[in-house]
Amino acid sequence: AQTVTQSQPEMSVQEAETVTLSCTYDTSENNYYLFWYKQPPSRQMILVIRQEAYKQQNATENRFSVNFQKAAKSFSLKISDSQLGDTAMYFCAFIKFQGAQKLVFGQGTRLTINP
Amino acid sequence: DTEVTQTPKHLVMGMTNKKSLKCEQHMGHRAMYWYKQKAKKPPELMFVYSYEKLSINESVPSRFSPECPNSSLLNLHLHALQPEDSALYLCASSQVGTPNTEAFFGQGTRLTVV
Repeated sequence: AQTVTQSQPEMSVQEAETVTLSCTYDTSENNYYLFWYKQPPSRQMILVIRQEAYKQQNATENRFSVNFQKAAKSFSLKISDSQLGDTAMYFCAFIKFQGAQKLVFGQGTRLTINP
Repeated sequence: DTEVTQTPKHLVMGMTNKKSLKCEQHMGHRAMYWYKQKAKKPPELMFVYSYEKLSINESVPSRFSPECPNSSLLNLHLHALQPEDSALYLCASSQVGTPNTEAFFGQGTRLTVV
């Protein structure tokens, strides 16, 4: 079975700072995908960034980037120039290379951006 | 249109009531999902429909009954629920067979069982 671990229940930074959220996972699969989802107080889960395990290059999306270390099974999210709108719950998620999207989520990190 | 619409947004029901949660998407996705999320916890998968057929049931109690009447609609029928079933119920949709594509989530139905 796959497991995803987020070791930081809460984090808080000042606006414009850079923050890194940690995620580790355990799997015996070789082909899989990793995601970071954001859930603001509006409750809607929004995809922030995705990483294919077979790609060595780290994914980036504007201010968001990941540090994917496949051997270490680590998948951290870096948010640069943080904004008040980044305040949310962040979930790391794993999915096997299969048809049904059975997302396995970590416990989440509550991120607060302070003005 | 990249929205998944869930209704109602809030629902309070008694333990003897029967109610239904509805989910709709018009993105042409052929996989639809129900997740349950308790406060301060991650979403937990309940059901997966693929091409309108139930493909995954995560051992959910029979008081929850899913239905997929067509490729755009997903219902969750509720009957004889318990107070511990109070949670946020999230619907999601995605393409089938391409796990690297995004699963789009609705805003959820906040369910309270009294």
